[in-house]
Amino acid sequence: KAGVTQTPRYLIKTRGQQVTLSCSPISGHRSVSWYQQTPGQGLQFLFEYFSETQRNKGNFPGRFSGRQFSNSRSEMNVSTLELGDSALYLCASSLGPGGNTEAFFGQGTRLTVV
Amino acid sequence: GENVEQHPSTLSVQEGDSAVIKCTYSDSASNYFPWYKQELGKGPQLIIDIRSNVGEKKDQRIAVTLNKTAKHFSLHITETQPEDSAVYFCAASLMDSSYKLIFGSGTRLLVRP
Repeated sequence: KAGVTQTPRYLIKTRGQQVTLSCSPISGHRSVSWYQQTPGQGLQFLFEYFSETQRNKGNFPGRFSGRQFSNSRSEMNVSTLELGDSALYLCASSLGPGGNTEAFFGQGTRLTVV
Repeated sequence: GENVEQHPSTLSVQEGDSAVIKCTYSDSASNYFPWYKQELGKGPQLIIDIRSNVGEKKDQRIAVTLNKTAKHFSLHITETQPEDSAVYFCAASLMDSSYKLIFGSGTRLLVRP
């Protein structure tokens, strides 16, 4: 059974640009959540989607957005990139809909903003 | 607000010894507590989890205990091996309809051969 797939693995962008990251969940999983991991702030929740609906959003500015498609694949977008957006972005998938089932993470996308 | 505190931040043990990592959560509504292991360059890997209706769970050398009254939960690794060296994260999930994990700050475990 394939795991969670995130693409691309690495990205280098310039300040002010925008970026789109992709996540393909485990087959049959309908919940996809996104996390930002930095050395200073640790793992922080960005948002969660289930059946194409955003059900929860973390404390991040509106520059961070996402969506989920009918096949459960998800994308997140960051506009007007800032140096502080450099981080490992992780996607996790779970069966859903409740918040007490196992979540499995992908390898992440390492974003560097220069 | 929602918060999970994790201690210690680093832990060094001799191979074969036990390691214990402790976490405290703030939201009494939390009902699901997973533990993740993260190796360099990889995403977090789920190693064990526990639900609020269970006090203890064991899987080979790994065990987790939960004290709902004190809002504490702990990870116990026995007979540690060098391959256990990694960063370990505890997390708590809020009891609502969406999936949101609140993570601890992580514990870097080093197992010395």
